[in-house]
Amino acid sequence: EVQLVESGGGLVQPGGSLRLSCAASGFTFSSYSMNWVRQAPGKGLEWVSYISSSSSTIYYADSVKGRFTISRDNAKNSLYLQMNSLRDEDTAVYYCARDRNSGYAVDYWGQGTLVTVSS
Amino acid sequence: SYVLTQPPSVSVAPGKTARITCGGNNIGSKSVHWYQQKPGQAPVLVIYYDSDRPSGIPERFSGSNSGNTATLTISRVEAGDEADYYCQVWDSSSDHSVFGTGTKVTVL
Repeated sequence: EVQLVESGGGLVQPGGSLRLSCAASGFTFSSYSMNWVRQAPGKGLEWVSYISSSSSTIYYADSVKGRFTISRDNAKNSLYLQMNSLRDEDTAVYYCARDRNSGYAVDYWGQGTLVTVSS
Repeated sequence: SYVLTQPPSVSVAPGKTARITCGGNNIGSKSVHWYQQKPGQAPVLVIYYDSDRPSGIPERFSGSNSGNTATLTISRVEAGDEADYYCQVWDSSSDHSVFGTGTKVTVL
């Protein structure tokens, strides 16, 4: 069974930093591209970042480019999101999401971790 | 940037057909994926590549895509289909994934 478990969320002040982790199991993690997708309270889904299976290709949404860094450790079956210079508008549930490796569809999602940016 | 527009809400009686549209410039040239999200839960992929269904998704869910509009159709709607639905595409001109604005489906 595919499982994606996020961790690392919490309350952080504006301008602060946070590192999210996603532990993957139940599939060959090194064979799949991955994404981070977020959802602000009461709002819709917003794609944040994409990383290919070998980390050779990385993309970011304009809203986070230069502040967030996606990475992965295939030996540890883990995906990460380093978030710096956090703003109020970064408050959201962050989902780790497996790319279907075709057409950029997401076929599995974690349950999400809440990040709250507030003073 | 590429924009996907969905109606905020759709209401449908049980047993009837719900159609949810997703509008975008020449969206027919892109692959459209659809997700269902119930309150407090993570999204679930219900349609990929315009009209393909993942295993475990009922045949009642179907999709089409042409011109400037993609459509998710839910036939014989059940109470359990009440959820938010999002379309999604990959915009190759910007190398960004884009989600639609979302549609809340209410079963009357």
